[in-house]
This record gives sequence, structure tokens and C-alpha cells, in this order.
Amino acid sequence: SQQGEEDPQALSIQEGENATMNCSYKTSINNLQWYRQNSGRGLVHLILIRSNEREKHSGRLRVTLDTSKKSSSLLITASRAADTASYFCATENNQGGKLIFGQGTELSVKP
Amino acid sequence: DAGVIQSPRHEVTEMGQEVTLRCKPISGHDYLFWYRQTMMRGLELLIYFNNNVPIDDSGMPEDRFSAKMPNASFSTLKIQPSEPRDSAVYFCASSFGLHGGQYFGPGTRLLVL
Repeated sequence: SQQGEEDPQALSIQEGENATMNCSYKTSINNLQWYRQNSGRGLVHLILIRSNEREKHSGRLRVTLDTSKKSSSLLITASRAADTASYFCATENNQGGKLIFGQGTELSVKP
Repeated sequence: DAGVIQSPRHEVTEMGQEVTLRCKPISGHDYLFWYRQTMMRGLELLIYFNNNVPIDDSGMPEDRFSAKMPNASFSTLKIQPSEPRDSAVYFCASSFGLHGGQYFGPGTRLLVL
């Protein structure tokens, strides 16, 4: 079964608002990564947070990780229409290093 | 760097035909991954290589699928014979080291009729 599961499946907001996406997983991990996929394109790596980290920032992105709850969240602040894309979390387990991707959250930012 | 390069970008073929997908990873990257993406199953890892050697092919659906990496700058994924259920977007990705972010190519959209 999928290791990472995102919530919500779809999110629609207005430009300027914040967008929060959540990811839950099942097994112990080395790290958790977030990727963005624009329609018809490949995935783009956004940010990686290690299992011993609790929060990480990159520009308008903020990622948190709670290993006790096996969950992570991705916050995009001051969203723009260009942020419209699907966002995937991917977990790297500690048994071989493969990435397991969730089903993604489809974010729509309306101008 | 041009990023990960995949060819062809689109492929339409008939059931039973052989399909070969190609990938050129980012220079200097020592890991190469092949993924398949469908609406039903999401993004699935098929196989990955380290320094041209296949490490884990447990995601390869069946014997009709094979992958090779003859050198550090080229890999192929072959489906023979192809079936309609193989229709999907196939992504190649590469990375430097296993425990970091992966760089994805634009994908090959395969349609098997």
C-alpha cells in the first residue's frame, strides 16, 4: 500500500492565501520529501526534511515533520497562480532508501 | 545542465509491439530511477540503478519489462510485447547519492492501442 497519503486530495484557494497540505505515512523513515508536478511535466523536488528535523523553510515553503504522529505538512504562504500544481510527499524508508510517493494534492490557486 | 532527458516524449503503438524508452541522466549523478505514473496507481518505482548496476527491480510489473544501463549517461526501459494496460507516463529520474532529492525528466507518455 502507499506509504504516504496526502490530504486533502484537492484544494482551491485565492491568490494571496496560504495553502496547507498534509501527508501521513506508516513506517519509520530516513527522510520525507515534497515534490511539485505541473500538468504534463515531470516532478520537481521542493524540499527534504530528515527524520531528526521538525521544521524546515525554503522561501515561501514551510515543512513540518512529526515522527510521533507519522505526519508532515507543507505550507505555501502568499500563494500565487503559478503555484497551481499537484504536490506529492515521498518517504524514504530506512530499509533500502527507495522513495514511496503518495497520491498527491491538487492545488488550484485562482487569480 | 540540460536536466534529465527522455525520449520520445510521446509514443503511440499497437498492442504486441516493442516499445523502447530512453533516458539520459544528469551528468555526475550515480543513481537512476524509472517510474510509471497512472491515475489509478499513482507514481510507482519500477527499477533503480547505482553506478549502472540494477539494485532493485522489484517494481517491474512482469517479464515483459526490462531495463538496462550500459553506461553512466544512458538507460533504456523496454516493453516487449506491449499491452494496453501499459499505457502510462514513464519518468526517469536521477540523483547524486540515494538519500537526497531526485531530478525528474519530462516523461514519456505511452499509449498502447
